[in-house]
Amino acid sequence: NAGVTQTPKFQVLKTGQSMTLQCAQDMNHEYMSWYRQDPGMGLRLIHYSVGAGITDQGEVPNGYNVSRSTTEDFPLRLLSAAPSQTSVYFCASSLTGGGDTEAFFGQGTRLTVV
Amino acid sequence: SQQGEEDPQALSIQEGENATMNCSYKTSINNLQWYRQNSGRGLVHLILIRSNEREKHSGRLRVTLDTSKKSSSLLITASRAADTASYFCATDSGGYQKVTFGTGTKLQVIP
Repeated sequence: NAGVTQTPKFQVLKTGQSMTLQCAQDMNHEYMSWYRQDPGMGLRLIHYSVGAGITDQGEVPNGYNVSRSTTEDFPLRLLSAAPSQTSVYFCASSLTGGGDTEAFFGQGTRLTVV
Repeated sequence: SQQGEEDPQALSIQEGENATMNCSYKTSINNLQWYRQNSGRGLVHLILIRSNEREKHSGRLRVTLDTSKKSSSLLITASRAADTASYFCATDSGGYQKVTFGTGTKLQVIP
């Protein structure tokens, strides 16, 4: 049982480049989410999805797009990378999204934008 | 915006000692969870406590919740070097956007 798988683990982008962070889960969870983790800031919610075809914005959505075509996959797209997007990105899934069940996290993607 | 704030920000103890970290939050919650994050890894769920519970145990972990003071504490007894990690509380105020994480307590257990 792989849980939540994120790729890549590390990425360096130049300002203005675009890329997609991949996230897949094999637990048949309806709820998936993307967070960014910055020093001293904890985890901040970027986007989330409550099921295939349904996505919504979190606390810090600007500069990011998501889609959810299947239950398993929830990719995060950076449209035009900026140095302010240098961060560690985590994908998570849970049975429900309301904090009444545990969330399972991927290993993270460390992104540097130069 | 941060709902939960952990205290202390960093804690260093000897192996075998107990470690206590606290989480304070601002608005009413439905549930509170504690997670552990080892360096360079994702968060791992430790324990969930509901608003109508006051204390919960899981192995060497003991979590308390005081809704009147809007605070929770995580106690790790008989700490081990493997407990070295950052610990986060996550508060649930209801709804998908209402689960927020604190900034974490960095625990170092010295062998």
